[in-house]
Amino acid sequence: EPEVTQTPSHQVTQMGQEVILRCVPISNHLYFYWYRQILGQKVEFLVSFYNNEISEKSEIFDDQFSVERPDGSNFTLKIRSTKLEDSAMYFCASSMDGIHEAFFGQGTRLTVV
Amino acid sequence: QQQVKQSPQSLIVQKGGISIINCAYENTAFDYFPWYQQFPGKGPALLIAIRPDVSEKKEGRFTISFNKSAKQFSLHIMDSQPGDSATYFCAASGGSGNTPLVFGKGTRLSVIA
Repeated sequence: EPEVTQTPSHQVTQMGQEVILRCVPISNHLYFYWYRQILGQKVEFLVSFYNNEISEKSEIFDDQFSVERPDGSNFTLKIRSTKLEDSAMYFCASSMDGIHEAFFGQGTRLTVV
Repeated sequence: QQQVKQSPQSLIVQKGGISIINCAYENTAFDYFPWYQQFPGKGPALLIAIRPDVSEKKEGRFTISFNKSAKQFSLHIMDSQPGDSATYFCAASGGSGNTPLVFGKGTRLSVIA
């Protein structure tokens, strides 16, 4: 069964450092998303990406965040200067057409110390 | 207006009982209402979803009831099993590719033998 894969599963970084979270969406999907979940809280939307550009972003997705699809398979989330409050589980998701099911990856647990 | 309110926060059900989780929304533009199941350390996985053209959808032991006029929808898990113990999130979206999922805060379900 096709799945969304994310690496690394856990990332520890020092405050102020840059991190890149990686995702390989399902191969025939066209819509890509990043969500985050602070421990014990709800899943929050960060950004959606379609046709090689951001289609929508939340107020959480400020200038320290960026997304990229550097090749035909990877989809990355970069956090330029991490803050303690960026510590969360980050989920990548993809959808074939943006209307039907969004498939989520297993997540990357980011810990900023 | 973008919120989805979910209750209860936690639920304990006896094995074989019925688990009921409720959600309410404000945004009348929402037209896709999925429920996601999340096990610890895993990403959310789609359980069942409904669109507002029907009032109920059943898949196995899982049923969504939808009340468009009240802007409420609920998940019923019949014959609840210990393996159903997980966190359940309701969500809503506008259904187009650029409209992200808005999640409820989640319900932690524990099914006890």
